[in-house]
Amino acid sequence: GAVVSQHPSRVICKSGTSVKIECRSLDFQATTMFWYRQFPKKSLMLMATSNEGSKATYEQGVEKDKFLINHASLTLSTLTVTSAHPEDSSFYICSASDGTGNSPLHFGNGTRLTVT
Amino acid sequence: SQQGEEDPQALSIQEGENATMNCSYKTSINNLQWYRQNSGRGLVHLILIRSNEREKHSGRLRVTLDTSKKSSSLLITASRAADTASYFCALGRSNYQLIWGAGTKLIIKP
Repeated sequence: GAVVSQHPSRVICKSGTSVKIECRSLDFQATTMFWYRQFPKKSLMLMATSNEGSKATYEQGVEKDKFLINHASLTLSTLTVTSAHPEDSSFYICSASDGTGNSPLHFGNGTRLTVT
Repeated sequence: SQQGEEDPQALSIQEGENATMNCSYKTSINNLQWYRQNSGRGLVHLILIRSNEREKHSGRLRVTLDTSKKSSSLLITASRAADTASYFCALGRSNYQLIWGAGTKLIIKP
């Protein structure tokens, strides 16, 4: 149980275009979802926290107008990278929580974004 | 720094040997979690140990927590080639967010 599906796994796009990444909890209701960015050989960098039906909370230094997060239902959150730039190329991972602070997070398999 | 600090950064051992990774931190925690990440993939939860627990086992995994020293260790016994991955500790606070360590890259040589 507790499966999180993230799609697409890989995407290549041209500079200036927008890319949408979906994160779905398949067998549980995700009250909170987290979006991370991971640089090569580095740890996870939290970008934002989203709760169903409310605006996402962005971490310091993350541009909310560039990384649009929507958490429209208890099973789906989306991250849209707008006006993509080569520096946005990275590994993006979502995770979902089904409970309180003592619950483990369930992760998607990540999306490798390459902006050319 | 509030984040977990892991050591070693990289560890290479022979198959069958035990692997030990450590995580130290400076903040207060509700729990400490260990995750595993295979290259280019998402993270998989391994073990959660609460702040009032000292040791926890799951199969070949053993996690200890010493809140007085603010440190935790993850022991993998009888390592296998399939254990090759990066291992992260994550500090669980009073809210639902996790503070992540930098990870230990473990390589098991066949």
